[in-house]
Amino acid sequence: ELKVEQNPLFLSMQEGKNYTIYCNYSTTSDRLYWYRQDPGKSLESLFVLLSNGAVKQEGRLMASLDTKARLSTLHITAAVHDLSATYFCAVDFPSGTYKYIFGTGTRLKVLA
Amino acid sequence: EAEVAQSPRYKITEKSQAVAFWCDPISGHATLYWYRQILGQGPELLVQFQDESVVDDSQLPKDRFSAERLKGVDSTLKIQPAELGDSAMYLCASSLPGLAGGQDTQYFGPGTRLTVL
Repeated sequence: ELKVEQNPLFLSMQEGKNYTIYCNYSTTSDRLYWYRQDPGKSLESLFVLLSNGAVKQEGRLMASLDTKARLSTLHITAAVHDLSATYFCAVDFPSGTYKYIFGTGTRLKVLA
Repeated sequence: EAEVAQSPRYKITEKSQAVAFWCDPISGHATLYWYRQILGQGPELLVQFQDESVVDDSQLPKDRFSAERLKGVDSTLKIQPAELGDSAMYLCASSLPGLAGGQDTQYFGPGTRLTVL
């Protein structure tokens, strides 16, 4: 079964702290995407990771991919309130035609 | 900056009525997706088009849902009859083809929030 799981599902953190969101997936893929969704809004693309060991950074967010462990991480450095949102990873599985599956989402709340 | 357009943004209907949503993808994007997102969950793919052809509609409840993309550009998703459990956000996304037959970053429209009473 093609599955994408994220943890934690909910994360409340203080401004200035660091934390990591994990995205695990069930079978082989080397294509992983991170999206952000603000409440009531649509999804916005953050990162595209297309190979083992890929690392991308934008501001206080850094994403990495370990295809052997079937794991991606989204690391938050010195969190600020504006980062409060729900973060989704999505994996493109080579299953016949490719199958794009979203994770469960991590709802992040950064407290001042 | 090119965007995916969707309409309407909000729709309230009574159960057993018919509803339709429209999506216009980014120009040049051959792949178009319709997702349903229930509050607090991740998007669930309903149907995927490559140009005018359906690539994946395995999760589409075909007894009540239909989707078309007749000229390979804009698309319509219809629900008839609507049920209470259909209340959700309906998202449209488009993308270019990815590497080696896979999929690229998806660009999402603003969504249509459906409430069925």
